[in-house]
Amino acid sequence: DTEVTQTPKHLVMGMTNKKSLKCEQHMGHRAMYWYKQKAKKPPELMFVYSYEKLSINESVPSRFSPECPNSSLLNLHLHALQPEDSALYLCASSLTLQGLNQPQHFGDGTRLSIL
Amino acid sequence: DAKTTQPPSMDCAEGRAANLPCNHSTISGNEYVYWYRQIHSQGPQYIIHGLKNNETNEMASLIITEDRKSSTLILPHATLRDTAVYYCIVRVASTGGFKTIFGAGTRLFVKA
Repeated sequence: DTEVTQTPKHLVMGMTNKKSLKCEQHMGHRAMYWYKQKAKKPPELMFVYSYEKLSINESVPSRFSPECPNSSLLNLHLHALQPEDSALYLCASSLTLQGLNQPQHFGDGTRLSIL
Repeated sequence: DAKTTQPPSMDCAEGRAANLPCNHSTISGNEYVYWYRQIHSQGPQYIIHGLKNNETNEMASLIITEDRKSSTLILPHATLRDTAVYYCIVRVASTGGFKTIFGAGTRLFVKA
């Protein structure tokens, strides 16, 4: 069981669709992260939020739009995705972004397929 | 780029100790070494972390060399369920804070 909950677990969408991925944690963590993971590759950092503000954007294309409406919730809005965007999208949280002695907690991800 | 290097794969017999090495020669004095693992189709799972002293919890032990340039994760009695990719991570400082950058990790196969 994981303390970071991601929904949906699976998503299939066309290239013209708009969809959103959702991530929720109730551990009081103030840093939240989105990663992308292709098959047989390590996770790659996409975005980091700290206290509901975007702190790090790893040059992610604008077809991915993150949102942090409150300290417990993180969304990733998807629009006009490409087939190469098919991947496992992982959410994580940690107590803060600046703390060196703070592990991250990961959800089990949303497996996204773009048709 | 990741600040650690690990062997790409290792085998271990069930019931034996699995010792997974990691090199982090550029680690700074206040940076922690973190270990995560990822079992197929799941998100990464936090295992343990340490600064300079050896650490132990219910999952594993972490041995850090005195110069802190390398470490070893020890699973004392490996089971088939420990088959996974193990990531050793030293977080990378950036303008926004500290980033967790994953390297390729070590794929551990536990065999019956």
